[in-house]
Amino acid sequence: RKEVEQDPGPFNVPEGATVAFNCTYSNSASQSFFWYRQDCRKEPKLLMSVYSSGNEDGRFTAQLNRASQYISLLIRDSKLSDSATYLCVVISSNSGYALNFGKGTSLLVTP
Amino acid sequence: GAGVSQSPRYKVAKRGQDVALRCDPISGHVSLFWYQQALGQGPEFLTYFQNEAQLDKSGLPSDRFFAERPEGSVSTLKIQRTQQEDSAVYLCASSLAWGDRYNEQFFGPGTRLTVL
Repeated sequence: RKEVEQDPGPFNVPEGATVAFNCTYSNSASQSFFWYRQDCRKEPKLLMSVYSSGNEDGRFTAQLNRASQYISLLIRDSKLSDSATYLCVVISSNSGYALNFGKGTSLLVTP
Repeated sequence: GAGVSQSPRYKVAKRGQDVALRCDPISGHVSLFWYQQALGQGPEFLTYFQNEAQLDKSGLPSDRFFAERPEGSVSTLKIQRTQQEDSAVYLCASSLAWGDRYNEQFFGPGTRLTVL
């Protein structure tokens, strides 16, 4: 079983829709959490860090529930340019640096 | 400034050939990471360098995989006697430092390796 699990999708949504992605992680000692974005045939890029208190960056909101070992990403008012794969990423305490990626959730925003 | 660069961008190898993949990290970045991304999967950690020291090679899938960073800057990932299951995108990432506080890892464009 992978340490980080995500629904691979694809999620097909119309422009302007709100879409939510979920992710679970198995290592309770995990210490850092992120969402990365990866465009087709491109490298992953950090979208945002995720904190227990929840954090927001424009149309994007990330939440962490340590008790349930669950991470979420909410995208409001979807744009065509949001089409990409969203990777849930966890750093475990035993390494402190190696990024553990989920499989990614594919999002396609349509006109 | 320049980001992480990798070469070649694409490599086709016949099964059994040796390949060498190069990574030029962002100047001044102490930490360097290699990841392997198979089709339809997320990247998987291979190995980590802090300057020239290889501190973690736990993710290397077999002893056919070898990485080095002799002068603490450019790194090379070598795969000996390539197999079809080695076909993947090999991503290099660098970060300013590693310590108590996470430093963002910046990824290069990757080398897409196809083994025939």
